[in-house]
Amino acid sequence: EAQVTQNPRYLITVTGKKLTVTCSQNMNHEYMSWYRQDPGLGLRQIYYSMNVEVTDKGDVPEGYKVSRKEKRNFPLILESPSPNQTSLYFCASRAEGVSYEQYFGPGTRLTVT
Amino acid sequence: EDKVVQSPLSLVVHEGDTVTLNCSYEVTNFRSLLWYKQEKKAPTFLFMLTSSGIEKKSGRLSSILDKKELFSILNITATQTGDSAVYLCAVAADSWGKLQFGAGTQVVVTP
Repeated sequence: EAQVTQNPRYLITVTGKKLTVTCSQNMNHEYMSWYRQDPGLGLRQIYYSMNVEVTDKGDVPEGYKVSRKEKRNFPLILESPSPNQTSLYFCASRAEGVSYEQYFGPGTRLTVT
Repeated sequence: EDKVVQSPLSLVVHEGDTVTLNCSYEVTNFRSLLWYKQEKKAPTFLFMLTSSGIEKKSGRLSSILDKKELFSILNITATQTGDSAVYLCAVAADSWGKLQFGAGTQVVVTP
């Protein structure tokens, strides 16, 4: 089954404790992206990647890091989480080509206390 | 700065009603406009619109794009409780298809 998976689905952590949210897709998509979703603000892009070893900042990159060492994986790293990073996070991917449809993972709900 | 604005922010309707959702945009390099449905989980794709005036239709849902006036509408006819969701509008505004999302419209359909 074609899908985007994320882990963990739920995470409660404390300020300053480094964490990684994993994202993997099995569709051989070139383009992958991370979004955060906050009430009233919709989905905002954090980082995106056009292919292996090619990443760029989105609209809200502060406090986040990413890497793209393999085509299928695109982990999101919070080196020192803070309470304002409490949010719902989505990973998405799409194939290079005419369609701009992005396929979303199930989401990770992160709470930083 | 690119902007996507959806209206209304929320609405409550009765089963069987027709709903019209609006999405206006201001982007510098428009490629396509997409509609997604989100029900307490990941957004699921509904439509992608690239050309003006061509209606896309799927069952009771339809959507159209006006590139001159820079807006799109999503219609849902004969609404059902299963249509209750947040409907997201997004614009692809660069060659890599970065999606700029609106805040969404929360639709509640009551029995």
